[in-house]
Amino acid sequence: EAQVTQNPRYLITVTGKKLTVTCSQNMNHEYMSWYRQDPGLGLRQIYYSMNVEVTDKGDVPEGYKVSRKEKRNFPLILESPSPNQTSLYFCASSSPRSPHNEQFFGPGTRLTVL
Amino acid sequence: GENVEQHPSTLSVQEGDSAVIKCTYSDSASNYFPWYKQELGKRPQLIIDIRSNVGEKKDQRIAVTLNKTAKHFSLHITETQPEDSAVYFCAASRGSGGYNKLIFGAGTRLAVHP
Repeated sequence: EAQVTQNPRYLITVTGKKLTVTCSQNMNHEYMSWYRQDPGLGLRQIYYSMNVEVTDKGDVPEGYKVSRKEKRNFPLILESPSPNQTSLYFCASSSPRSPHNEQFFGPGTRLTVL
Repeated sequence: GENVEQHPSTLSVQEGDSAVIKCTYSDSASNYFPWYKQELGKRPQLIIDIRSNVGEKKDQRIAVTLNKTAKHFSLHITETQPEDSAVYFCAASRGSGGYNKLIFGAGTRLAVHP
């Protein structure tokens, strides 16, 4: 089954404790992105990657890091989480070969930083 | 920078009525406009999209219209049903070839009452 997976789905942590949210896709997609979803703000892009070892900042990159060592994986790293990073996070993948440029989203990760 | 405004933020209708959600965009180079539906606790999923070379597209009970001159596009849902209740996001990007960043609106929470 074609899918994007994220782990963990829920996470409660404390300020300053480094964490990683994993994202994996099995569709051989070149493009992957991370978004955060906040009430009244919609989906805002954090980082994106056009292929292995190619990443770039989105609209709200501060406080986040990413890496793309393999095509299928695109982890999101919070080196020192802060309460303003409490949010719902979505990973998404897409392909230039897709006729609709559709972004396939993962199930989401709800992060709470105390 | 690029911006997509979406209205209304909440919409309540009776089952069987029509619902209209409107979006405006700022980047005149945008030429691809998808709509995503996010059911409660689920991931966003593409429901319909339109490209700038057409003014309207329909798929059963949903339709999207585009006015490039005014830089706005709308989602129309006819004969609404309770299962249409969800958050709807509009988005805009510059094209479907290569990586084209999607700019999302803030979302509209649609409630369809039986």
